[in-house]
Amino acid sequence: DQQVKQNSPSLSVQEGRISILNCDYTNSMFDYFLWYKKYPAEGPTFLISISSIKDKNEDGRFTVFLNKSAKHLSLHIVPSQPGDSAVYFCAASGSTSGTYKYIFGTGTRLKVLA
Amino acid sequence: ETGVTQSPTHLIKTRGQQVTLRCSSQSGHNTVSWYQQALGQGPQFIFQYYREEENGRGNFPPRFSGLQFPNYSSELNVNALELDDSALYLCASSLGGGWERYNEQFFGPGTRLTVL
Repeated sequence: DQQVKQNSPSLSVQEGRISILNCDYTNSMFDYFLWYKKYPAEGPTFLISISSIKDKNEDGRFTVFLNKSAKHLSLHIVPSQPGDSAVYFCAASGSTSGTYKYIFGTGTRLKVLA
Repeated sequence: ETGVTQSPTHLIKTRGQQVTLRCSSQSGHNTVSWYQQALGQGPQFIFQYYREEENGRGNFPPRFSGLQFPNYSSELNVNALELDDSALYLCASSLGGGWERYNEQFFGPGTRLTVL
């Protein structure tokens, strides 16, 4: 049972344009969401997060939007740069027996074309 | 401040063998989580350790076990290896006991395990 879904395995965007990566979740107990970026041969690195009490969080070129009623979040990258090319994972966190653990989606490979 | 390191980088084992993977957490982080990332999938939570005690477990059989040491290092042990255990194994360290939802997890580069 995939509780966090990233339905687009890959995305190509021209440099300077907007990249929109989407993520859906099924568990209404999730209350904290994160985006991680992963380059080959490296571990995932934290990008941006949002708690369920907000619907938007912005950090420089990166903005995450949360739609709780639709159980959907998205990551916007504006403007996209070639260095943004990586695999992006969304993750959701919710307490299970008092322990917060991350549930990851399957990832979206973003390619920014110069 | 050093980051999270893992060893070895790559490992090849045969079915039925046992393996130990190692992780050195970021300095001061008392919580470590282990994840398995199969090819084309996202990381899947195996278990979490806080102050040397298991503090939560995902849907993995008991042949997956762990240890956490006072010096912030930890181990993931897998017994009776199966072909499906071939994956990238990631550890992530964080502050707190795992019950604080806003604790960011810092990941190591992973150990690529191949089971033949």
